[in-house]
Amino acid sequence: GAVVSQHPSRVICKSGTSVKIECRSLDFQATTMFWYRQFPKKSLMLMATSNEGSKATYEQGVEKDKFLINHASLTLSTLTVTSAHPEDSSFYICSARLAGVSSEQFFGPGTRLTVL
Amino acid sequence: AQSVAQPEDQVNVAEGNPLTVKCTYSVSGNPYLFWYVQYPNRGLQFLLKYITGDNLVKGSYGFEAEFNKSQTSFHLKKPSALVSDSALYFCAVRTSGSARQLTFGSGTQLTVLP
Repeated sequence: GAVVSQHPSRVICKSGTSVKIECRSLDFQATTMFWYRQFPKKSLMLMATSNEGSKATYEQGVEKDKFLINHASLTLSTLTVTSAHPEDSSFYICSARLAGVSSEQFFGPGTRLTVL
Repeated sequence: AQSVAQPEDQVNVAEGNPLTVKCTYSVSGNPYLFWYVQYPNRGLQFLLKYITGDNLVKGSYGFEAEFNKSQTSFHLKKPSALVSDSALYFCAVRTSGSARQLTFGSGTQLTVLP
């Protein structure tokens, strides 16, 4: 199947700093990318959907000014957690999808963010 | 609105025994159904999907799932469980609508006991 990478795999930062997470589709062009947040032993919560070249669509309750998403190309999307706080600590997973009605989503390996 | 229910938080099964992880869904229109597996501190790996056609879908690692429209179910099965199958399993659904977003179930932790 198609491969999606995320970088970094884990990051520890101080409260108040910003952290950028990259998501890349390595062998396909992703028209749509998704960002999820997962709490321990919980399901994935969709944060936002981004289409290349346009603004991301955020889910209700997700602060767009706090979680900045950029989808500048068909193979790269970035999530920047601005002014991170300990409550932002979580496992962030990106996903990319090919065009087509029946296409499945391919998931990145996730990024563990710990805010001290 | 679409939703997915995984009624069991935890499923334990002995190695070599058959396993079933349950999933029911609710959508307007025809569902596209998926199963994913997640190992600790990893992203989700695709196992199988149902789009159309045969109700019995075969996927990776010997897993299969049966689409049952009347019961709105898509249970995941494997004839003989392995210890290495122990992981967190997610069922997901979406439709062919313009949003086409995946909605995930709450996940089921499968533990295969040696």
